[in-house]
Amino acid sequence: QQQVKQSPQSLIVQKGGISIINCAYENTAFDYFPWYQQFPGKGPALLIAIRPDVSEKKEGRFTISFNKSAKQFSLHIMDSQPGDSATYFCAAHRGAGSYQLTFGKGTKLSVIP
Amino acid sequence: DAGITQSPRYKITETGRQVTLMCHQTWSHSYMFWYRQDLGHGLRLIYYSAAADITDKGEVPDGYVVSRSKTENFPLTLESATRSQTSVYFCASSALAGREGETQYFGPGTRLLVL
Repeated sequence: QQQVKQSPQSLIVQKGGISIINCAYENTAFDYFPWYQQFPGKGPALLIAIRPDVSEKKEGRFTISFNKSAKQFSLHIMDSQPGDSATYFCAAHRGAGSYQLTFGKGTKLSVIP
Repeated sequence: DAGITQSPRYKITETGRQVTLMCHQTWSHSYMFWYRQDLGHGLRLIYYSAAADITDKGEVPDGYVVSRSKTENFPLTLESATRSQTSVYFCASSALAGREGETQYFGPGTRLLVL
């Protein structure tokens, strides 16, 4: 049973536009929500992360919005650039005593000039 | 500053053969993980290890065996490879404790083709 649902599967955005990727979860025990970025031929790398006690976290052009009551969180990429073209995975940490992450299925983002 | 390395990077094998994928990390992280990545499935956890000699199953452990005799190494063995095990395999590690503990650092991956 997939515990983190990610959408869309693929996304095409024009350079300078806003990319939005959404994730929803079911398990209220999740306590940490990272986003990983993966370029072709490389391993995923942590991009930005948020804890459920805040509603938004911003790092440069990347922002996570978190809605605890709706059990949803999203990644916004402002002023999207061709170099942002990659696959993005949302994830959720299973809580105290666990070091496991549950990943969404990924979103392939293509930023076109 | 090697970080986390995987070998081989590419492997072609035949059905029924035993294959071992290697993972080595230089950070002394306690936790290590093996994932497989398949189109349409994202990253799925195969096995993980909390410390040397402590391992546990993840979401898709069938057909795989792991061991961890040393903190820095976490090999993954396919005892009798099947075509369904054709995939990209990623090893990852994370620190012992603290807020930074949840960050997993991934290796470059091993692309495995089973004919």
